[in-house]
Formats: sequence, structure tokens, C-alpha cells
Amino acid sequence: AQSVTQLGSHVSVSEGALVLLRCNYSSSVPPYLFWYVQYPNQGLQLLLKYTSAATLVKGINGFEAEFKKSETSFHLTKPSAHMSDAAEYFCAVSETGANNLFFGTGTRLTVIP
Amino acid sequence: GAVVSQHPSRVICKSGTSVKIECRSLDFQATTMFWYRQFPKKSLMLMATSNEGSKATYEQGVEKDKFLINHASLTLSTLTVTSAHPEDSSFYICSAQIPTGSGYTFGSGTRLTVV
Repeated sequence: AQSVTQLGSHVSVSEGALVLLRCNYSSSVPPYLFWYVQYPNQGLQLLLKYTSAATLVKGINGFEAEFKKSETSFHLTKPSAHMSDAAEYFCAVSETGANNLFFGTGTRLTVIP
Repeated sequence: GAVVSQHPSRVICKSGTSVKIECRSLDFQATTMFWYRQFPKKSLMLMATSNEGSKATYEQGVEKDKFLINHASLTLSTLTVTSAHPEDSSFYICSAQIPTGSGYTFGSGTRLTVV
């Protein structure tokens, strides 16, 4: 069975500082991993995904994530935070070939001017 | 491409009434759609998997008779919250797998408030 743990329900960073949102997963088979962003009152938007190709995945808006099998992690990073990055971020896992996603509980990112 | 349109975006209804939420795939055929509910503590929970032309598969703990799901065509799935109660107030999101296998696309969500 799959599961996702996101450490830190709230993360605050200063504008221009490094963003690091943590995600650890559990899966009995090679996983597909995703990061989604949700802006207020909007649906989910895909930031990036890992599907067994390159372990360092680059996404939209300057975000990237690295798949580390030994650590069962898929942390999301961005070198320099922008005010527009303030949102809710969800990590999700799917078993290879499966049809649904299991989400973490989300991390709210606040960017301080 | 691979856009899912969800309507309505917001709905307020009285207790005891029913509300239908529609999820349409605009530029692709979705044999399978998923319905999620976002709880106040922000976790997204899969409610059910909707399969075109067959009965939906519900997750454990989700009431089939309360959350009616219909997937009558390859582009439309509906979720009907029957006899709504205030505790049904939530944010509901539908999703479909992108045909190329490159992930999932989500609707913009529906904020349901039951008064």
C-alpha cells in the first residue's frame, strides 16, 4: 500500500530564500511521484512528476524535486522564493500502472516580503 | 490539452437537498475519473473511482447511497451529494488520467456549503 508523509503543515520563508518542502513516501512497487500546487479556491496544478526516468525532475515555476530511493524521499525545492509561490503544496504517489493517487496532507507555504 | 472542466465552482444548498457536480473532459476521452474530497485539515481523500459504463468503485467508508456517481459517457462524470448535511460541506475535486500516461489532470474543484 502506498502512503505519503509531508513533514511540516506550514512552512514560511523569506522572499528570495530557498524553498524546501519535504515528502516521504511508502510504496511496495516502484512509484510514480508528483507534486501539485493549489492556489486559494482553485484546483490542483501539476508542478512536476517522477516516472522512473531522471531522478532530478524539473517542473514549472522554477521548482524541482529529486527522487531518492534510499531515503524514500521526493523533496520539492526552489532556489529563490517569490511572493507568488505562496500556496498549498501536495505530494502524491501512485503505483506504476495504477490509476489513482494517494496524497499527503499538504504544506502551506508562506512567503514573507 | 487534457483539460477537465468542473462545475459548479461554488454551490450553497439547504440541508436535505441534493447537489450535482459535473466533471467533463474537454479534449480527451476519460474512461476513468476520480473524485476527491478535501477535508478541513487539508488532506485530499479519494472518494471513488468512476468508470464509464459501469458502477463506480468506492473507497472504504464512503457512503455509496449518499455520494452517487455516474459516468455515462467518455467525457462526463457526475457526483451527486444526496440529502446533503452541513458535514458534507467541503471542497470536491475530480480528476482524470491523461491519456498519454503522463500524469493526471484535475478539475478546478467545487466548494459545497450546506446550510
